[in-house]
Amino acid sequence: DVKVTQSSRYLVKRTGEKVFLECVQDMDHENMFWYRQDPGLGLRLIYFSYDVKMKEKGDIPEGYSVSREKKERFSLILESASTNQTSMYLCASSLVFTTTVGTDTQYFGPGTRLTVL
Amino acid sequence: QKEVEQNSGPLSVPEGAIASLNCTYSDRGSQSFFWYRQYSGKSPELIMFIYSNGDKEDGRFTAQLNKASQYVSLLIRDSQPSDSATYLCAGESSGTYKYIFGTGTRLKVLA
Repeated sequence: DVKVTQSSRYLVKRTGEKVFLECVQDMDHENMFWYRQDPGLGLRLIYFSYDVKMKEKGDIPEGYSVSREKKERFSLILESASTNQTSMYLCASSLVFTTTVGTDTQYFGPGTRLTVL
Repeated sequence: QKEVEQNSGPLSVPEGAIASLNCTYSDRGSQSFFWYRQYSGKSPELIMFIYSNGDKEDGRFTAQLNKASQYVSLLIRDSQPSDSATYLCAGESSGTYKYIFGTGTRLKVLA
């Protein structure tokens, strides 16, 4: 079974704090993703990584950065948390992109509900 | 802008009925499509993926793909109250590792 874990289920931080969200997968997946999910807006991609030390911006990267020093771990960093970053953060991972059937399945972690006060 | 569209619902069906969830997509290059179920406060869990035109069955679930019409659907037979959740449709963004997600359809199965 694929297992994706996230460091916290619930997190409360203050405006201006630096926040680290950690994600670990145990299936040797190449690709890892960070999303945020807000009511009515669905899942929005923040950043993704297709290899160690490689990263690409998603649709809403502003105010976030990421780090992938090891294949199994992908960190999301909020440099200076703001109230509009209160959200559910979801990490996902998938195998290598294939050209035969398209992108492989993404498996999600349990999510971190972040509240910024 | 590549999009996946779903009706937000709620879609209410009686227990034991067939629930039909639909999704349309704009990226003609998309090859793979995915259905996820998400319970309130939880993360999405994969139900099925489909990449060939036609039907794919797995237990009570059937996914249908029509690439000509750019349409994906999920049928849930013998719906149970435990099927009550939000169902997310996602399509591969062609040529990338990314998915495009719909905003989800909320399904309520009435006992």
